[in-house]
Amino acid sequence: AQKITQTQPGMFVQEKEAVTLDCTYDTSDQSYGLFWYKQPSSGEMIFLIYQGSYDEQNATEGRYSLNFQKARKSANLVISASQLGDSAMYFCAMRARYSARQLTFGSGTQLTVLP
Amino acid sequence: SAVISQKPSRDICQRGTSLTIQCQVDSQVTMMFWYRQQPGQSLTLIATANQGSEATYESGFVIDKFPISRPNLTFSTLTVSNMSPEDSSIYLCSVDGTSGVTSTDTQYFGPGTRLTVL
Repeated sequence: AQKITQTQPGMFVQEKEAVTLDCTYDTSDQSYGLFWYKQPSSGEMIFLIYQGSYDEQNATEGRYSLNFQKARKSANLVISASQLGDSAMYFCAMRARYSARQLTFGSGTQLTVLP
Repeated sequence: SAVISQKPSRDICQRGTSLTIQCQVDSQVTMMFWYRQQPGQSLTLIATANQGSEATYESGFVIDKFPISRPNLTFSTLTVSNMSPEDSSIYLCSVDGTSGVTSTDTQYFGPGTRLTVL
C-alpha cells in the first residue's frame, strides 16, 4: 500500500519569492515514481515534475524542482520566483513503477501568491 | 506528451439520471484511468480500463454504478448511473505518458468533467 502525506493545507508566498511545499510518502515498493501536479480553479490537473526513486539527481523543470530525500521519504516541491499565476492547489502523488500504474494522491496544498 | 480531451466539460443533471463521459487520447495507450474528485477533496481512483478486458474497479466502486467501456486504444467512456447529489464531482481520465503503446514515467490528465447533480 502507498500513502502520501501533505501537512500544509494552505500556504502563502510573496510574489518573486521561493516556496517549498512538503510531501512525505510511504510505500513497500522498491521502485516507484513521485509526481507533483498543479490544479487551478478550472479543475484541470497539470503535470509539473517527476522523480524516479532510483534517479540520482533531483528533478528540475524550469522554476520547479523536487527536493528528493529518499532516506527521509520526502519529495518536497520547490517553486522559485513565485508568480501570481502559481496560485492553485498542488498535489503530490506516487505510484509503483512496475506493478499497478495508478496514482495515489496526497490531500493537497492550496498555494496563494501575494502581490 | 499525450493530449487528452473529455466531453462534456461540465453538466448539471437531475437525480436518478445517467451521464456518459468520453475520454479521447491523441495516441494509443495501454492503460486509461478514471478518477473522481469530490468537492474540496483529493483524487480517488475509480477504475483502470485496459483495451479488450473488463475494467478493474477500486474498493467502493462497482460496475453497475460506474460502467466503463474501452473499445480501442485511444478512447474510453465512464457512465455515472442513477445519479444522486453525492455524485457531484470532477471526473478525470488519465493515461501514462506514451511512446506508441509503451508506458513512460509520466502520467497526464484530461481537463476533467465537472458534474453537478440536483
